[in-house]
Amino acid sequence: AQSVTQPDIHITVSEGASLELRCNYSYGATPYLFWYVQSPGQGLQLLLKYFSGDTLVQGIKGFEAEFKRSQSSFNLRKPSVHWSDAAEYFCAVDPTDTGNQFYFGTGTSLTVIP
Amino acid sequence: GAVVSQHPSWVICKSGTSVKIECRSLDFQATTMFWYRQFPKQSLMLMATSNEGSKATYEQGVEKDKFLINHASLTLSTLTVTSAHPEDSSFYICSARDLDGRTPAHYYEQYFGPGTRLTVT
Repeated sequence: AQSVTQPDIHITVSEGASLELRCNYSYGATPYLFWYVQSPGQGLQLLLKYFSGDTLVQGIKGFEAEFKRSQSSFNLRKPSVHWSDAAEYFCAVDPTDTGNQFYFGTGTSLTVIP
Repeated sequence: GAVVSQHPSWVICKSGTSVKIECRSLDFQATTMFWYRQFPKQSLMLMATSNEGSKATYEQGVEKDKFLINHASLTLSTLTVTSAHPEDSSFYICSARDLDGRTPAHYYEQYFGPGTRLTVT
């Protein structure tokens, strides 16, 4: 079945430490890939997106993500986490053959400790 | 940048009543809007795709008669939860797709609203 998987439900990191959030998808063709962040009770903010070209994409707030076709992955990274990064992170996939319909992963909750 | 608003941001209603939620694209025209539902600590689940001037397309398992969607203009879509019950309590989020299809960067851009918290008592 087609799916978007975020294996880590919850991650805790220390402020200043590096961060990697995992995302795997199981759609056949190369989909369009997105990472969103959601603060409690808020809507979604786009961090970055990948359509084609350079597999390492830069986003806002110091985030980056790398598309690896062979692994069907699109992991999100940040070299140094700030306390304000504590939030819920969602990976999303647009398979590009379903009318611009998004499929979201289950989300990863990030806690940042001092 | 493109902005999508939702109104109200939160609403409490009694069981059996109906509630309307508005989704507006403020500075762009959106032929397509999407409605999502999010339960606490869970991901967003697509409920329906709303196309301006035509009937909405509902995802499997979503009751069309309970969740009425109207997309009467290029900047407004509404979701009406009819005869609401406590199990309908959730966070409802809409998104709108920019009309500009000339480049991939814009064509596939979806802008999300801030969400509406519905509590049915």
